[in-house]
Amino acid sequence: GAGVSQSPSNKVTEKGKDVELRCDPISGHTALYWYRQSLGQGLEFLIYFQGNSAPDKSGLPSDRFSAERTGGSVSTLTIQRTQQEDSAVYLCASSLGQGAGEAFFGQGTRLTVV
Amino acid sequence: GEDVEQSLFLSVREGDSSVINCTYTDSSSTYLYWYKQEPGAGLQLLTYIFSNMDMKQDQRLTVLLNKKDKHLSLRIADTQTGDSAIYFCAERASNDYKLSFGAGTTVTVRA
Repeated sequence: GAGVSQSPSNKVTEKGKDVELRCDPISGHTALYWYRQSLGQGLEFLIYFQGNSAPDKSGLPSDRFSAERTGGSVSTLTIQRTQQEDSAVYLCASSLGQGAGEAFFGQGTRLTVV
Repeated sequence: GEDVEQSLFLSVREGDSSVINCTYTDSSSTYLYWYKQEPGAGLQLLTYIFSNMDMKQDQRLTVLLNKKDKHLSLRIADTQTGDSAIYFCAERASNDYKLSFGAGTTVTVRA
């Protein structure tokens, strides 16, 4: 596609529910990243995919967070049993490959846990 | 590890130049980026520079790099109201994939 697309753009969920956030990277980009932007924490790295593999999951804040990528394209970030501290903007980015060129970001999903 | 620092706020008059400053710490060959975030939007890549360069110009944007002091600046000429946004400085080592971001500088353009 023309750019990185994320859905939904906004999500309000009740504490304790599970949510899925979706990212469609730029076509042909093999590298995909998830970042989280929250007040007071700035932009935090969550996870990196090269193709369908996730060699670096070091930024996932707890075992309630997981992500997968299928077909080397779409990625889903899942948060189980959401907590209020999970409220943030979740940003996805893609690039041509590891360390190859600049990363382009999507518009983000604003998650609010009530 | 990397540690990117920026001043948090900048107020500038419309038509003047804006200068946003950033310091970084990675001493290896590094890419340095400027991203813009408008309210409610994602990050837009504005420009980037490799650490073996001193300067890069792209229309109203000029990036200056002082390698000795590890200081990066973004100058926006003829600042317009549409330039009001948060500007993030980020660095990435050339052999890495992870971006390390500064806290962002909120630029407010006043008439």
